Amino acid sequence: QLQLQESGPGLVKPSETLSLTCTVSGGSISSDSYYWGWIRQPPGKGLEWFGGIYYSGSTYYNPSLSTRVTLSIDTSKNQFSLNVRSVTAADTAVYYCASLSSYGHSVDYWGQGSLVIVSS
Amino acid sequence: QSVLTQPPSASGTPGQRVTISCSGSSPNIGRNPVNWYQQLPGTAPKLLIFSNNQRPSGVPDRFSGSKSGTSASLAISGLQSEDEADYYCASWDDSLNGVVFGGGTKVTVL
Repeated sequence: QLQLQESGPGLVKPSETLSLTCTVSGGSISSDSYYWGWIRQPPGKGLEWFGGIYYSGSTYYNPSLSTRVTLSIDTSKNQFSLNVRSVTAADTAVYYCASLSSYGHSVDYWGQGSLVIVSS
Repeated sequence: QSVLTQPPSASGTPGQRVTISCSGSSPNIGRNPVNWYQQLPGTAPKLLIFSNNQRPSGVPDRFSGSKSGTSASLAISGLQSEDEADYYCASWDDSLNGVVFGGGTKVTVL
């Protein structure tokens, strides 16, 4: 049973970079069956997919966010990371890291979520 | 504006059957499997249905999914109070090359 845990600052200033890391336990991040992604949920709103990264480093990005987003992966640490540049208040959300099936793109495992507030 | 369209709310009394629709288009639901998630208040979403109609281990058979053309549905039979939650559909979109979600449906047990 995979477990995912987000870590990173809970408060980020406008125009700065939001950085989060997800640590995977209970299995290897170097799996062909899964890829690793980020999903966010603004307060009181729905889910938004950021993108995903395979252990090889291949990536998918949400086209509406891709100019500000970078995903990376560190297989030696069983971790993957999200960077969002030039944040505004609209980036305030709960950020979930997740493992997605390589076949049907279902989110099979979710982290507990990390609330990030963008405010000066 | 979500790529997939869901009704914002649905409700029923205990024991009733509730159905939630999810409407998409050819690049997403038309060509790819649909997945459904349940989000209980204050918690992370949980996979409820994958590949249109498959239940992960541990999900009660009261929950069922179906797909036809560019639309999908989630049915909850024998509604229970613990089913009060937000439900989201999702699929891969070949044009956007990414996962797209519906806006979510809040299910209320009356």
